[in-house]
Amino acid sequence: EVQLLESGGGLVQPGGSLRLSCAASGFTFSSHTMTWVRQAPGKGLEWVSSFGGSGGGTYYADSVKGRFTISRDNSKNTLYLQMNSLRAEDTAMYYCARDYDWNYGYWGQGTLVTVSS
Amino acid sequence: EIVLTQSPGTLSLSPGERATLSCRASQSVSSTSLAWYQQKPGQAPRLLIYGTSNRATGIPDRFSGSGSGTDFTLTISRLEPEDFAVYYCQQFDSSPRCTFGQGTKLELK
Repeated sequence: EVQLLESGGGLVQPGGSLRLSCAASGFTFSSHTMTWVRQAPGKGLEWVSSFGGSGGGTYYADSVKGRFTISRDNSKNTLYLQMNSLRAEDTAMYYCARDYDWNYGYWGQGTLVTVSS
Repeated sequence: EIVLTQSPGTLSLSPGERATLSCRASQSVSSTSLAWYQQKPGQAPRLLIYGTSNRATGIPDRFSGSGSGTDFTLTISRLEPEDFAVYYCQQFDSSPRCTFGQGTKLELK
């Protein structure tokens, strides 16, 4: 059974940093593109960043480029999102999702990031 | 960047009725890259339809998708109480980057 479990969210001040983790199980993690999607309170879904499987590259939304860094540790089946220079508009639920054939068939339960002083 | 516009913003219907949700793209989208998701309060989105018209595993056959080019539709043939939720369309114009529509809220009339 495929499972994705995010952690690392919390309250952080503007300008601060946070690292999110997504622990994966039930599939060959290294083969799959993995993605972070966020959802601000009461708003829609926004693609944030992806890390290609099988040695693929990294991709970022313009809204986070230069501030966020996606990484993965295939030996630990874990995806990360290092978030620096956080802003109030980064406040959202952050989901990790498995990308397969142009859709996200599996999602984690999300981890909430709140940026506020 | 391709923009997806969903309509209506809110759809008020009763159980047993038919729901038709629209997703219009700002330019032509590959049919293989158009998907639909359902999201209930406090839950992660759930994949319903991929490749425009293919139901994901475990999705009831009252859900169907259609369309091509710039116009896509999600149809729920007979609404069940558990279908009232927010629905999003998604497309990949330059995978793995994607965009989502703003969502249609399907509410109980």
